Amino acid sequence: GQNIDQPTEMTATEGAIVQINCTYQTSGFNGLFWYQQHAGEAPTFLSYNVLDGLEEKGRFSSFLSRSKGYSYLLLKELQMKDSASYLCAAMDSNYQLIWGAGTKLIIKP
Amino acid sequence: TAGITQAPTSQILAAGRSMTLRCTQDMRHNAMYWYRQDLGLGLRLIHYSNTAGTTGKGEVPDGYSVSRANTDDFPLTLASAVPSQTSVYFCASSEGSADEQFFGPGTRLTVL
Repeated sequence: GQNIDQPTEMTATEGAIVQINCTYQTSGFNGLFWYQQHAGEAPTFLSYNVLDGLEEKGRFSSFLSRSKGYSYLLLKELQMKDSASYLCAAMDSNYQLIWGAGTKLIIKP
Repeated sequence: TAGITQAPTSQILAAGRSMTLRCTQDMRHNAMYWYRQDLGLGLRLIHYSNTAGTTGKGEVPDGYSVSRANTDDFPLTLASAVPSQTSVYFCASSEGSADEQFFGPGTRLTVL
């Protein structure tokens, strides 16, 4: 079957660094997406990885290991506005996204 | 630019009634999607359309139907609503089926 696993909730301190992990099992693989979703709002795109390695985009970076079925999202210099849910989604061989349940990130001052 | 709009924002519906959730995008994207989001679960794909005139079934299509008469609009119809269809419904679009998806603001539906 197809499955995405990510932690339900994480807590971090303002100004610190946090890493949100995601493991996936899909029928075929066409890339790994990360989205941010603030409470009561729509998901918004953060990053896409299809090749192994690290993609950096400002304070956010995303890493992919295809052989391990593993990705992580790294958030640096945390700000209060980063409090949100972070959704991991893997694209399968039919180009459909399989979504994780999301990781709720709580930032404390 | 409006991006993707959905209507209504929220709705309370009696079980057994029908309802159409509207979705319109102005980005000329080829692909469109309907998801439902329930607490503790990931987004689940209901139906999708890779291009105008075509539709496909996602993970949870039962009880829902869609049409794609043109590029911009992708309505979702519940023929006879049941309480298990209480959820937040998101419409999304992407330029191609492998591209990042842009989401509408969502419709919160309660079926009583």
